[in-house]
Amino acid sequence: KAGVTQTPRYLIKTRGQQVTLSCSPISGHRSVSWYQQTPGQGLQFLFEYFSETQRNKGNFPGRFSGRQFSNSRSEMNVSTLELGDSALYLCASSSGGVSSDEQFFGPGTRLTVL
Amino acid sequence: AQSVTQLDSQVPVFEEAPVELRCNYSSSVSVYLFWYVQYPNQGLQLLLKYLSGSTLVKGINGFEAEFNKSQTSFHLRKPSVHISDTAEYFCAVGGSQGNLIFGKGTKLSVKP
Repeated sequence: KAGVTQTPRYLIKTRGQQVTLSCSPISGHRSVSWYQQTPGQGLQFLFEYFSETQRNKGNFPGRFSGRQFSNSRSEMNVSTLELGDSALYLCASSSGGVSSDEQFFGPGTRLTVL
Repeated sequence: AQSVTQLDSQVPVFEEAPVELRCNYSSSVSVYLFWYVQYPNQGLQLLLKYLSGSTLVKGINGFEAEFNKSQTSFHLRKPSVHISDTAEYFCAVGGSQGNLIFGKGTKLSVKP
Protein backbone atom coordinates (compact mmCIF):
# COMPACT_ATOMS: atom_id res chain seq x y z
CA LYS A 1 0.00 0.00 0.00
CA ALA A 2 1.36 3.40 -0.92
CA GLY A 3 1.96 5.78 1.97
CA VAL A 4 0.83 9.34 2.47
CA THR A 5 2.27 11.65 -0.16
CA GLN A 6 2.67 15.40 0.05
CA THR A 7 3.51 17.85 -2.70
CA PRO A 8 5.54 19.85 -3.10
CA ARG A 9 8.26 18.84 -0.67
CA TYR A 10 9.83 22.29 -0.56
CA LEU A 11 8.44 25.78 -1.18
CA ILE A 12 9.87 29.26 -0.97
CA LYS A 13 7.46 32.18 -0.90
CA THR A 14 7.56 35.84 0.04
CA ARG A 15 5.47 37.67 2.61
CA GLY A 16 1.96 38.48 1.45
CA GLN A 17 1.75 35.65 -1.05
CA GLN A 18 -0.51 32.66 -0.70
CA VAL A 19 0.34 28.98 -0.96
CA THR A 20 -1.49 25.69 -1.50
CA LEU A 21 -0.16 22.39 -0.23
CA SER A 22 -1.47 19.00 -1.29
CA CYS A 23 -1.84 15.70 0.52
CA SER A 24 -2.87 12.29 -0.82
CA PRO A 25 -3.86 9.88 1.96
CA ILE A 26 -3.46 6.15 2.11
CA SER A 27 -6.04 4.44 -0.05
CA GLY A 28 -9.23 3.84 1.92
CA HIS A 29 -8.49 6.43 4.60
CA ARG A 30 -11.19 9.06 4.93
CA SER A 31 -9.63 11.23 7.62
CA VAL A 32 -6.89 13.72 6.78
CA SER A 33 -5.30 15.96 9.38
CA TRP A 34 -2.81 18.78 9.02
CA TYR A 35 -0.10 19.82 11.48
CA GLN A 36 2.41 22.65 11.63
CA GLN A 37 5.84 21.81 13.03
CA THR A 38 8.24 24.56 14.14
CA PRO A 39 11.28 24.47 16.44
CA GLY A 40 9.64 26.87 18.87
CA GLN A 41 6.06 25.65 19.03
CA GLY A 42 6.56 21.99 18.14
CA LEU A 43 3.73 20.10 16.49
CA GLN A 44 0.42 21.93 16.41
CA PHE A 45 -2.87 20.65 15.06
CA LEU A 46 -4.38 22.74 12.27
CA PHE A 47 -7.54 20.89 11.24
CA GLU A 48 -9.00 17.55 10.25
CA TYR A 49 -11.23 16.63 7.35
CA PHE A 50 -13.40 13.55 7.16
CA SER A 51 -15.51 12.71 4.12
CA GLU A 52 -15.09 16.22 2.67
CA THR A 53 -16.20 17.97 5.90
CA GLN A 54 -14.03 19.78 8.40
CA ARG A 55 -14.54 17.79 11.57
CA ASN A 56 -12.06 19.43 13.95
CA LYS A 57 -10.08 22.65 14.00
CA GLY A 58 -7.10 23.90 15.96
CA ASN A 59 -6.32 27.43 17.12
CA PHE A 60 -4.99 28.99 13.95
CA PRO A 61 -6.13 32.19 12.25
CA GLY A 62 -8.54 32.16 9.35
CA ARG A 63 -5.64 32.61 6.91
CA PHE A 64 -5.20 28.86 7.25
CA SER A 65 -7.88 26.90 5.45
CA GLY A 66 -8.32 23.53 3.87
CA ARG A 67 -10.58 21.30 1.92
CA GLN A 68 -11.01 17.67 1.05
CA PHE A 69 -12.13 16.17 -2.22
CA SER A 70 -14.34 13.18 -2.88
CA ASN A 71 -11.27 10.95 -3.38
CA SER A 72 -10.07 12.01 0.13
CA ARG A 73 -7.18 14.05 -1.21
CA SER A 74 -6.78 17.24 0.77
CA GLU A 75 -5.35 20.69 0.19
CA MET A 76 -4.28 23.28 2.68
CA ASN A 77 -4.13 26.96 1.79
CA VAL A 78 -2.37 29.77 3.61
CA SER A 79 -3.15 33.29 2.48
CA THR A 80 -1.21 36.49 3.16
CA LEU A 81 1.89 34.65 4.26
CA GLU A 82 3.87 35.90 7.25
CA LEU A 83 7.47 35.15 8.22
CA GLY A 84 6.18 33.09 11.15
CA ASP A 85 4.43 30.70 8.79
CA SER A 86 7.79 29.19 7.87
CA ALA A 87 7.47 25.60 9.06
CA LEU A 88 7.22 21.96 8.14
CA TYR A 89 3.60 21.15 7.33
CA LEU A 90 2.68 17.55 7.94
CA CYS A 91 -0.34 15.72 6.70
CA ALA A 92 -1.62 12.54 8.32
CA SER A 93 -4.34 10.10 7.36
CA SER A 94 -6.30 7.52 9.28
CA SER A 95 -9.31 5.30 8.82
CA GLY A 96 -11.26 6.75 11.73
CA GLY A 97 -10.76 9.09 14.65
CA VAL A 98 -7.72 11.27 15.08
CA SER A 99 -7.57 10.97 18.85
CA SER A 100 -7.63 7.17 19.03
CA ASP A 101 -6.51 5.73 15.71
CA GLU A 102 -2.99 5.48 14.38
CA GLN A 103 -2.11 8.45 12.21
CA PHE A 104 0.03 7.77 9.14
CA PHE A 105 2.16 10.79 8.37
CA GLY A 106 3.55 12.02 5.10
CA PRO A 107 7.11 13.38 4.78
CA GLY A 108 5.91 16.98 4.98
CA THR A 109 6.19 20.16 2.96
CA ARG A 110 8.93 22.54 4.08
CA LEU A 111 7.65 26.10 3.60
CA THR A 112 10.05 29.01 3.82
CA VAL A 113 8.63 32.54 3.84
CA LEU A 114 11.09 35.32 2.98
CA ALA B 1 -6.91 21.71 29.15
CA GLN B 2 -5.00 18.69 28.00
CA SER B 3 -1.23 18.91 27.70
CA VAL B 4 1.84 16.75 27.29
CA THR B 5 5.23 17.39 28.88
CA GLN B 6 8.36 15.68 27.73
CA LEU B 7 10.83 16.28 30.49
CA ASP B 8 14.04 15.95 28.50
CA SER B 9 14.66 17.82 25.27
CA GLN B 10 17.84 15.85 24.53
CA VAL B 11 19.04 12.45 25.72
CA PRO B 12 22.53 11.27 24.79
CA VAL B 13 23.27 7.60 25.36
CA PHE B 14 25.89 5.05 24.32
CA GLU B 15 25.05 2.19 22.00
CA GLU B 16 23.69 -0.94 23.75
CA ALA B 17 22.80 1.05 26.88
CA PRO B 18 19.20 1.22 28.16
CA VAL B 19 17.18 4.39 27.68
CA GLU B 20 14.03 5.94 29.15
CA LEU B 21 12.29 8.91 27.58
CA ARG B 22 9.90 10.56 29.98
CA CYS B 23 6.40 11.81 29.26
CA ASN B 24 3.77 13.26 31.56
CA TYR B 25 0.29 14.24 30.50
CA SER B 26 -2.67 16.07 31.92
CA SER B 27 -6.15 15.09 30.93
CA SER B 28 -9.51 15.04 32.61
CA VAL B 29 -11.04 12.68 30.09
CA SER B 30 -10.35 9.12 28.93
CA VAL B 31 -6.76 8.90 27.85
CA TYR B 32 -5.39 7.66 24.60
CA LEU B 33 -1.59 7.88 24.57
CA PHE B 34 0.92 7.52 21.77
CA TRP B 35 4.63 7.60 21.06
CA TYR B 36 5.79 8.60 17.59
CA VAL B 37 9.31 8.72 16.16
CA GLN B 38 10.61 11.15 13.54
CA TYR B 39 13.79 10.41 11.61
CA PRO B 40 15.57 13.30 9.87
CA ASN B 41 13.67 14.68 6.89
CA GLN B 42 10.82 12.27 7.39
CA GLY B 43 7.30 12.29 8.78
CA LEU B 44 6.27 10.70 12.05
CA GLN B 45 5.89 6.96 12.55
CA LEU B 46 3.88 5.31 15.30
CA LEU B 47 5.96 3.36 17.82
CA LEU B 48 3.15 2.28 20.13
CA LYS B 49 -0.17 3.33 21.60
CA TYR B 50 -2.24 2.86 24.73
CA LEU B 51 -6.01 2.89 24.42
CA SER B 52 -7.06 0.61 27.28
CA GLY B 53 -6.21 -2.70 28.93
CA SER B 54 -2.70 -3.75 29.95
CA THR B 55 -0.64 -0.84 31.18
CA LEU B 56 2.55 -2.23 29.61
CA VAL B 57 2.48 -1.62 25.90
CA LYS B 58 4.96 -3.14 23.47
CA GLY B 59 5.75 -1.42 20.21
CA ILE B 60 7.99 -1.72 17.21
CA ASN B 61 11.78 -1.81 17.20
CA GLY B 62 11.96 -3.20 20.75
CA PHE B 63 10.38 -0.18 22.45
CA GLU B 64 7.83 -0.42 25.24
CA ALA B 65 5.95 2.04 27.43
CA GLU B 66 4.10 1.86 30.71
CA PHE B 67 0.91 3.76 31.40
CA ASN B 68 0.80 4.97 35.00
CA LYS B 69 -2.51 6.61 35.80
CA SER B 70 -1.62 7.71 39.33
CA GLN B 71 1.53 9.49 38.13
CA THR B 72 -0.04 10.56 34.82
CA SER B 73 3.00 9.25 33.00
CA PHE B 74 3.70 7.25 29.87
CA HIS B 75 7.46 6.75 29.76
CA LEU B 76 9.12 5.06 26.80
CA ARG B 77 11.87 2.50 27.36
CA LYS B 78 14.27 0.34 25.41
CA PRO B 79 16.68 -2.07 27.11
CA SER B 80 19.46 -1.73 24.52
CA VAL B 81 19.64 1.04 21.92
CA HIS B 82 21.27 1.04 18.50
CA ILE B 83 22.80 3.80 16.43
CA SER B 84 19.73 3.57 14.19
CA ASP B 85 17.49 4.67 17.09
CA THR B 86 18.91 8.19 16.80
CA ALA B 87 15.82 10.29 16.09
CA GLU B 88 13.32 12.62 17.71
CA TYR B 89 10.58 11.03 19.80
CA PHE B 90 7.18 12.57 20.44
CA CYS B 91 4.65 11.68 23.09
CA ALA B 92 1.02 12.54 22.29
CA VAL B 93 -2.39 12.37 23.90
CA GLY B 94 -5.69 12.07 22.08
CA GLY B 95 -7.50 15.33 22.58
CA SER B 96 -11.11 15.78 23.60
CA GLN B 97 -11.63 17.86 20.45
CA GLY B 98 -10.72 15.01 18.18
CA ASN B 99 -7.10 16.04 17.75
CA LEU B 100 -3.66 14.88 18.84
CA ILE B 101 -1.74 16.98 21.36
CA PHE B 102 2.00 16.49 21.09
CA GLY B 103 4.82 17.11 23.50
CA LYS B 104 7.80 19.20 22.38
CA GLY B 105 9.84 16.11 21.56
CA THR B 106 12.98 14.44 22.87
CA LYS B 107 16.04 14.10 20.65
CA LEU B 108 17.72 10.77 21.30
CA SER B 109 21.35 10.66 20.26
CA VAL B 110 23.00 7.24 20.33
CA LYS B 111 26.78 7.32 20.33
CA PRO B 112 29.10 4.44 19.40
